[in-house]
Amino acid sequence: GENVEQHPSTLSVQEGDSAVIKCTYSDSASNYFPWYKQELGKRPQLIIDIRSNVGEKKDQRIAVTLNKTAKHFSLHITETQPEDSAVYFCAARLNYGQNFVFGPGTRLSVLP
Amino acid sequence: NAGVMQNPRHLVRRRGQEARLRCSPMKGHSHVYWYRQLPEEGLKFMVYLQKENIIDESGMPKERFSAEFPKEGPSILRIQQVVRGDSAAYFCASSPAQAAGANVLTFGAGSRLTVL
Repeated sequence: GENVEQHPSTLSVQEGDSAVIKCTYSDSASNYFPWYKQELGKRPQLIIDIRSNVGEKKDQRIAVTLNKTAKHFSLHITETQPEDSAVYFCAARLNYGQNFVFGPGTRLSVLP
Repeated sequence: NAGVMQNPRHLVRRRGQEARLRCSPMKGHSHVYWYRQLPEEGLKFMVYLQKENIIDESGMPKERFSAEFPKEGPSILRIQQVVRGDSAAYFCASSPAQAAGANVLTFGAGSRLTVL
C-alpha cells in the first residue's frame, strides 16, 4: 500500500521567514495530495491540495509543488506569522475509492 | 451546513468497558473515514465506509474494534473491552460520493477517549 514520509518532524522559523515541509510517497499511481493544518486540540483542516496533472499551486502565502518523477511534494509558506504555528500533515490518495494516507506530521513553530 | 458531527466529544471509560463513537457526515457526503490520533502523533487510518458497506478496513485492529455505517443514522466506531492503549483522539472525516469533489476530506472535531 501507499506510504507517506514527511520531513522535518519539527521546524522553527522566525516570523517573516519562509517554511518548507517535504513529503515523499511510494505509489506512483497516487494522484491527489492535500495538506492539512491542525492547531492544538483542534481538527485537521485542509489548507491546499494538488492533483497529479499540476506541478504547482499557490494560494496567497502558501504554495504546493509536486514532482511526480521523484514522487515528492512540498508545502511552502512565505512571510510566516505566529498563527501559522501548528502541526502540518501531508497526505496522498491513489484514486477515488481509496483511503487517504497521511504523513507523520511536522510541528511548525513561528517565533515572534 | 453543520459539518461533520462527532459525539461524544469526550468519553471516559474504565478498562473492560465498551466505547461507542458516533459520526454524522456532512450533508451530501456518503463516505466516512475513521482515523486514530495518539498524543503528539499523526493520523492513523482505521476504516473507510459508505452506507451499509465497508470499503477498506485494513487499518482496524483485528480484535475488539468494529465499525458500521447503516442506511439510517450515523457511522459508529465501537471498541469493546477497552484497554489503556485505546486512549486517543478518534477523528471522523467525510467526503462526497460524486467524482467531482470526491477527494475533499472534511474532518469532525474528534472524540477524545480516555481509558482509566
